[in-house]
Amino acid sequence: KQEVTQIPAALSVPEGENLVLNCSFTDSAIYNLQWFRQDPGKGLTSLLLIQSSQREQTSGRLNASLDKSSGRSTLYIAASQPGDSATYLCAVTAGNQFYFGTGTSLTVIP
Amino acid sequence: GAVVSQHPSWVICKSGTSVKIECRSLDFQATTMFWYRQFPKQSLMLMATSNEGSKATYEQGVEKDKFLINHASLTLSTLTVTSAHPEDSSFYICSAMVASNEKLFFGSGTQLSVL
Repeated sequence: KQEVTQIPAALSVPEGENLVLNCSFTDSAIYNLQWFRQDPGKGLTSLLLIQSSQREQTSGRLNASLDKSSGRSTLYIAASQPGDSATYLCAVTAGNQFYFGTGTSLTVIP
Repeated sequence: GAVVSQHPSWVICKSGTSVKIECRSLDFQATTMFWYRQFPKQSLMLMATSNEGSKATYEQGVEKDKFLINHASLTLSTLTVTSAHPEDSSFYICSAMVASNEKLFFGSGTQLSVL
């Protein structure tokens, strides 16, 4: 069964710092990988979607990479801002099956 | 972008009553919708997959008779928590999948508190 792990579980950085969130998965047979943001008590907001044939996607200050062979994805956030504080989840998908990571709680200190 | 509307955003009910949560895709058709449950500080747990016009597929350990899911149209799925108990208190989130790229769009969630 697919297992998705995110490290670290929590991260605190000063404003302006670049940071990397990690996501690893055990089964490389995936259709795509998504990164989400979740604010407390809110639903998830999709940030980036990487198809299995792609290696990275970029949106603004966010860059997500995917290495299927090693079962890893990273989410790079440049020039972090206090508004980036949230929980970030990755999810791998295969057909209608979605497997979520446990999330990384990010706090950006002003 | 695609919008998923989920109502109500919060509900408080007495133990033993039933609560219905609606999930609507406003500007796209969603043949597949998902229902999740989240306990504090935990990741989302997929409860069931709802396909339009067919019975929902429940994850192991989820009681289908307790969590009734109906997906009668391409834009609406409902989750009914029957005979709710305090242990059902949780944050429930729905999501709808765009068939062309399997991208998920999520509702804003429903906080259920059972007294």
